[in-house]
Amino acid sequence: EAGVVQSPRYKIIEKKQPVAFWCNPISGHNTLYWYLQNLGQGPELLIRYENEEAVDDSQLPKDRFSAERLKGVDSTLKIQPAELGDSAVYLCASSLGGVPREQYFGPGTRLTVT
Amino acid sequence: GQSLEQPSEVTAVEGAIVQINCTYQTSGFYGLSWYQQHDGGAPTFLSYNALDGLEETGRFSSFLSRSDSYGYLLLQELQMKDSASYFCAGVDSNYQLIWGAGTKLIIKP
Repeated sequence: EAGVVQSPRYKIIEKKQPVAFWCNPISGHNTLYWYLQNLGQGPELLIRYENEEAVDDSQLPKDRFSAERLKGVDSTLKIQPAELGDSAVYLCASSLGGVPREQYFGPGTRLTVT
Repeated sequence: GQSLEQPSEVTAVEGAIVQINCTYQTSGFYGLSWYQQHDGGAPTFLSYNALDGLEETGRFSSFLSRSDSYGYLLLQELQMKDSASYFCAGVDSNYQLIWGAGTKLIIKP
Protein backbone atom coordinates (compact mmCIF):
# COMPACT_ATOMS: atom_id res chain seq x y z
CA GLU A 1 0.00 0.00 0.00
CA ALA A 2 1.39 3.40 -0.97
CA GLY A 3 1.97 5.93 1.78
CA VAL A 4 1.15 9.61 1.82
CA VAL A 5 2.69 11.30 -1.20
CA GLN A 6 3.80 14.92 -1.20
CA SER A 7 5.41 17.10 -3.81
CA PRO A 8 7.67 18.89 -4.22
CA ARG A 9 10.15 17.71 -1.59
CA TYR A 10 12.05 20.97 -1.64
CA LYS A 11 11.16 24.46 -2.80
CA ILE A 12 13.15 27.67 -2.78
CA ILE A 13 11.35 30.89 -3.68
CA GLU A 14 11.81 34.60 -3.22
CA LYS A 15 9.55 36.46 -0.83
CA LYS A 16 6.29 37.73 -2.27
CA GLN A 17 6.19 34.84 -4.75
CA PRO A 18 3.40 32.23 -4.67
CA VAL A 19 3.99 28.56 -3.88
CA ALA A 20 1.82 25.46 -3.86
CA PHE A 21 2.19 22.06 -2.22
CA TRP A 22 0.38 18.90 -3.20
CA CYS A 23 -0.61 15.90 -1.13
CA ASN A 24 -2.17 12.55 -1.97
CA PRO A 25 -3.29 10.68 1.17
CA ILE A 26 -3.46 6.96 1.76
CA SER A 27 -6.36 5.42 -0.13
CA GLY A 28 -9.46 5.21 2.03
CA HIS A 29 -8.33 7.79 4.56
CA ASN A 30 -11.11 10.33 4.95
CA THR A 31 -9.19 12.75 7.15
CA LEU A 32 -6.36 14.87 5.78
CA TYR A 33 -4.17 17.29 7.72
CA TRP A 34 -1.73 19.99 6.76
CA TYR A 35 0.91 20.82 9.36
CA LEU A 36 3.74 23.31 9.56
CA GLN A 37 6.89 22.27 11.42
CA ASN A 38 9.73 24.55 12.38
CA LEU A 39 13.11 23.18 13.34
CA GLY A 40 13.15 21.79 16.86
CA GLN A 41 9.40 22.09 17.33
CA GLY A 42 6.39 19.87 17.04
CA PRO A 43 4.03 20.00 14.07
CA GLU A 44 1.41 22.75 14.17
CA LEU A 45 -1.93 22.08 12.56
CA LEU A 46 -2.89 24.42 9.73
CA ILE A 47 -6.05 22.74 8.49
CA ARG A 48 -7.95 19.47 8.83
CA TYR A 49 -10.32 18.01 6.27
CA GLU A 50 -13.00 15.41 6.74
CA ASN A 51 -13.59 14.31 3.15
CA GLU A 52 -14.09 17.58 1.22
CA GLU A 53 -14.99 19.67 4.25
CA ALA A 54 -12.48 21.79 6.13
CA VAL A 55 -13.54 21.09 9.72
CA ASP A 56 -10.71 22.93 11.47
CA ASP A 57 -8.89 25.83 9.81
CA SER A 58 -8.61 28.07 12.84
CA GLN A 59 -4.80 28.14 12.64
CA LEU A 60 -4.61 28.82 8.91
CA PRO A 61 -3.45 32.40 8.15
CA LYS A 62 -6.22 33.05 5.70
CA ASP A 63 -4.83 36.32 4.40
CA ARG A 64 -2.09 34.44 2.57
CA PHE A 65 -2.76 30.72 2.92
CA SER A 66 -5.44 28.74 1.17
CA ALA A 67 -6.17 25.05 0.80
CA GLU A 68 -8.53 22.82 -1.08
CA ARG A 69 -9.43 19.16 -1.19
CA LEU A 70 -11.54 18.64 -4.24
CA LYS A 71 -13.35 15.29 -4.48
CA GLY A 72 -12.18 14.43 -0.98
CA VAL A 73 -8.91 12.84 -2.10
CA ASP A 74 -5.78 14.84 -2.86
CA SER A 75 -5.21 18.32 -1.52
CA THR A 76 -3.31 21.48 -2.35
CA LEU A 77 -1.97 24.08 0.07
CA LYS A 78 -1.06 27.48 -1.35
CA ILE A 79 0.78 30.48 0.00
CA GLN A 80 0.46 33.82 -1.77
CA PRO A 81 2.49 35.89 -1.22
CA ALA A 82 5.18 34.04 0.70
CA GLU A 83 7.04 35.76 3.51
CA LEU A 84 10.44 35.01 5.02
CA GLY A 85 8.78 33.60 8.13
CA ASP A 86 7.01 30.95 6.07
CA SER A 87 10.24 28.99 5.72
CA ALA A 88 9.50 25.64 7.33
CA VAL A 89 8.61 22.04 6.55
CA TYR A 90 5.03 21.53 5.44
CA LEU A 91 3.74 18.11 6.36
CA CYS A 92 0.65 16.37 5.09
CA ALA A 93 -0.89 13.52 7.05
CA SER A 94 -3.94 11.32 6.73
CA SER A 95 -5.94 9.05 8.99
CA LEU A 96 -9.11 7.03 9.07
CA GLY A 97 -12.13 8.87 10.42
CA GLY A 98 -12.93 9.21 14.10
CA VAL A 99 -10.42 9.77 16.88
CA PRO A 100 -7.07 10.54 15.19
CA ARG A 101 -5.09 8.06 17.26
CA GLU A 102 -2.79 7.21 14.39
CA GLN A 103 -1.79 9.61 11.65
CA TYR A 104 0.34 8.72 8.65
CA PHE A 105 2.69 11.42 7.44
CA GLY A 106 4.15 12.20 4.06
CA PRO A 107 7.84 13.12 3.69
CA GLY A 108 7.07 16.84 3.80
CA THR A 109 8.02 19.82 1.67
CA ARG A 110 10.91 21.91 2.90
CA LEU A 111 10.19 25.51 1.92
CA THR A 112 12.90 28.16 1.93
CA VAL A 113 11.84 31.75 1.33
CA THR A 114 14.72 34.11 0.49
CA GLY B 1 -7.23 24.24 25.16
CA GLN B 2 -4.37 21.84 25.60
CA SER B 3 -0.66 22.05 26.20
CA LEU B 4 1.87 19.26 26.56
CA GLU B 5 5.28 19.42 28.17
CA GLN B 6 8.16 17.06 27.68
CA PRO B 7 11.92 17.34 28.26
CA SER B 8 13.84 18.88 25.38
CA GLU B 9 16.64 16.33 25.47
CA VAL B 10 17.44 12.97 27.04
CA THR B 11 20.72 11.07 26.85
CA ALA B 12 21.09 7.32 27.33
CA VAL B 13 23.53 4.52 26.64
CA GLU B 14 23.11 1.84 24.00
CA GLY B 15 21.45 -1.24 25.44
CA ALA B 16 19.93 0.66 28.36
CA ILE B 17 16.35 1.69 29.14
CA VAL B 18 15.09 5.27 28.88
CA GLN B 19 11.82 6.92 29.86
CA ILE B 20 10.49 10.07 28.19
CA ASN B 21 7.84 11.85 30.23
CA CYS B 22 4.93 13.96 29.05
CA THR B 23 2.57 16.02 31.16
CA TYR B 24 -0.50 17.66 29.76
CA GLN B 25 -3.10 20.26 30.59
CA THR B 26 -6.38 19.90 28.83
CA SER B 27 -9.98 20.97 28.82
CA GLY B 28 -10.95 17.82 26.93
CA PHE B 29 -8.87 14.75 26.34
CA TYR B 30 -9.36 11.51 24.44
CA GLY B 31 -5.92 9.98 24.60
CA LEU B 32 -2.17 10.32 24.18
CA SER B 33 -0.15 9.37 21.12
CA TRP B 34 3.59 9.02 20.68
CA TYR B 35 5.52 9.63 17.47
CA GLN B 36 9.13 9.16 16.45
CA GLN B 37 10.87 11.50 14.04
CA HIS B 38 14.38 11.05 12.69
CA ASP B 39 16.27 14.11 11.48
CA GLY B 40 14.95 15.10 8.06
CA GLY B 41 12.19 12.52 8.23
CA ALA B 42 8.48 12.53 8.87
CA PRO B 43 6.85 11.62 12.18
CA THR B 44 5.91 7.96 12.46
CA PHE B 45 3.31 6.61 14.85
CA LEU B 46 4.52 4.55 17.82
CA SER B 47 1.60 4.08 20.20
CA TYR B 48 -1.68 5.42 21.55
CA ASN B 49 -3.15 5.25 25.06
CA ALA B 50 -6.84 5.90 25.53
CA LEU B 51 -7.07 4.22 28.93
CA ASP B 52 -4.88 4.29 32.01
CA GLY B 53 -2.13 1.72 32.05
CA LEU B 54 0.68 0.34 30.00
CA GLU B 55 0.63 -0.50 26.30
CA GLU B 56 3.51 -2.61 25.04
CA THR B 57 4.74 -2.90 21.46
CA GLY B 58 8.03 -4.73 21.18
CA ARG B 59 10.83 -2.70 22.73
CA PHE B 60 8.55 0.31 23.17
CA SER B 61 5.92 0.77 25.87
CA SER B 62 3.68 3.71 26.64
CA PHE B 63 1.89 4.56 29.87
CA LEU B 64 -0.97 6.89 30.71
CA SER B 65 -2.38 8.14 34.00
CA ARG B 66 -5.41 10.36 33.47
CA SER B 67 -5.66 11.25 37.15
CA ASP B 68 -2.11 12.62 37.05
CA SER B 69 -2.37 14.09 33.51
CA TYR B 70 0.83 12.25 32.79
CA GLY B 71 2.23 9.74 30.39
CA TYR B 72 5.56 8.31 29.37
CA LEU B 73 7.26 6.40 26.60
CA LEU B 74 9.63 3.65 27.66
CA LEU B 75 12.28 2.41 25.27
CA GLN B 76 14.15 -0.77 26.17
CA GLU B 77 17.32 -2.34 24.79
CA LEU B 78 18.25 0.95 23.16
CA GLN B 79 19.82 0.80 19.74
CA MET B 80 21.69 3.55 17.92
CA LYS B 81 18.86 3.71 15.38
CA ASP B 82 16.55 4.88 18.19
CA SER B 83 18.33 8.23 18.16
CA ALA B 84 15.54 10.57 17.12
CA SER B 85 13.04 13.07 18.43
CA TYR B 86 10.00 11.72 20.23
CA PHE B 87 6.74 13.64 20.41
CA CYS B 88 3.77 13.16 22.66
CA ALA B 89 0.50 14.39 21.22
CA GLY B 90 -2.86 14.67 22.92
CA VAL B 91 -6.19 14.20 21.20
CA ASP B 92 -8.56 16.90 22.37
CA SER B 93 -12.34 17.05 22.41
CA ASN B 94 -12.35 18.46 18.84
CA TYR B 95 -10.43 15.41 17.58
CA GLN B 96 -7.41 17.63 17.11
CA LEU B 97 -3.92 16.39 17.83
CA ILE B 98 -2.01 18.85 20.03
CA TRP B 99 1.72 18.23 19.91
CA GLY B 100 4.46 18.64 22.47
CA ALA B 101 7.71 20.31 21.43
CA GLY B 102 9.52 16.97 21.25
CA THR B 103 12.31 15.24 23.14
CA LYS B 104 15.61 14.68 21.38
CA LEU B 105 16.98 11.28 22.40
CA ILE B 106 20.76 11.01 22.21
CA ILE B 107 22.19 7.52 22.48
CA LYS B 108 25.83 6.98 23.30
CA PRO B 109 27.69 3.76 22.53
